This record gives sequence, structure tokens and C-alpha cells, in this order.
Amino acid sequence: GAVVSQHPSRVICKSGTSVKIECRSLDFQATTMFWYRQFPKQSLMLMATSNEGSKATYEQGVEKDKFLINHASLTLSTLTVTSAHPEDSSFYICSAREVGQGKNTEAFFGQGTRLTVV
Amino acid sequence: DAKTTQPPSMDCAEGRAANLPCNHSTISGNEYVYWYRQIHSQGPQYIIHGLKNNETNEMASLIITEDRKSSTLILPHATLRDTAVYYCIVRVVGSWGKLQFGAGTQVVVTP
Repeated sequence: GAVVSQHPSRVICKSGTSVKIECRSLDFQATTMFWYRQFPKQSLMLMATSNEGSKATYEQGVEKDKFLINHASLTLSTLTVTSAHPEDSSFYICSAREVGQGKNTEAFFGQGTRLTVV
Repeated sequence: DAKTTQPPSMDCAEGRAANLPCNHSTISGNEYVYWYRQIHSQGPQYIIHGLKNNETNEMASLIITEDRKSSTLILPHATLRDTAVYYCIVRVVGSWGKLQFGAGTQVVVTP
């Protein structure tokens, strides 16, 4: 399957600071990317959907000003957690798929980023 | 998208077939059935998907009932590395493609 790479895999930051997580598609054009959050012993919760060059669409209850998503190119999307607090500590996972021009791929997932806010 | 129901957990002996059920009684005609799995602390991995015909690939087989209200994922020869949470998801064809995950089934393969 296609490869989606997330960076960093693990990050610890101080409360009040911002953290940026990168998600890259390595061998396909990610026209659509998704960001999920997963708390311990829970399932993945979709946070937002972004299409290249457009503003992200956030799921209900997700603060768009706190979780900034940029999808400026067909191979890179970033999630910035602004003014992070301990309750933002979670496992963040991105997913990407290529849609259009005869392609409609499955959703491929990154390896996830473990964020710990202290 | 239709909701799915899966058993919370199941055990399987190494080398035996693992049959994972999924109920999706409210599935619509334009919704596919997808299976993903998540090994601990990793991102989900795509396994297989189908609309109404049975499907098979190198990882698993997917059996969908004729009325499409339920399906079974079959891992033919389970290994210890198949221990994971398995998610059954239904998604509308041609939609944005966003996948909404339920609780899944925790599968533990034992020696």
C-alpha cells in the first residue's frame, strides 16, 4: 500500500506552547487528508478533513482555532496544536487518500504522533 | 454512514482461522464495508473492502451476507502479529472518504 509518514512520532511540550505535526504522502498525491485523535483505550475520533488548497472542515466539537490545519501541497498537511494543555495529550493520526483523475485510493494512515503536554 | 456493531473482544489460537463478525443492519445500497486493523500504538492498516461480493486478498477474506446486513472478516491462519484491534466501517461510495471508527474488536492471538 501507499506510504504516509508522520513526524514527529513522539513529542513532549510544555503547557502553553504550540506543537506542529507533519503528515506526508510519500508515493502518491494526497488530495484529501484526515486528522484523528485517539485517547488511551478509546477508538479514533475524526477531527477534520482537508482538501489540498482549501480550508479544512472540522468535526463538531473540534476547535478550529486550537487545531490549525494546513494542506498547502499534495504531499504535505500539518496539524498545529496551539497553546497546548495537558488535556490535549493524545495520539494524533493522519490519513490520506488520492481522489480524482481516475484515481480513488483507499485511506492510508500515518504511524501516529504521541503528544504529551506537561 | 451506517453504524456497525462488533464484539468487543475475541481470542484466537495461532495457526487457526479467525472469524470476525460485524453487523451493519442499516447499511445502504451505496455503502461499502471496510476493514482496518490497528496494532498497539500504530496507525490503522487497511485490510480489505467490499460492496456485495465476497472478496479475498493476501491478508484476509471478506464474506458479506446476501442481504448485506452483516459481514465476516476471515484471517485464514492467524499469527501472533495479527493481535490488534479490528475495525469494521461502512462508507458511502464517492463520499469524501472519511472513515468513522467504532470501538472495534480486540483480537488476541495466543500461542
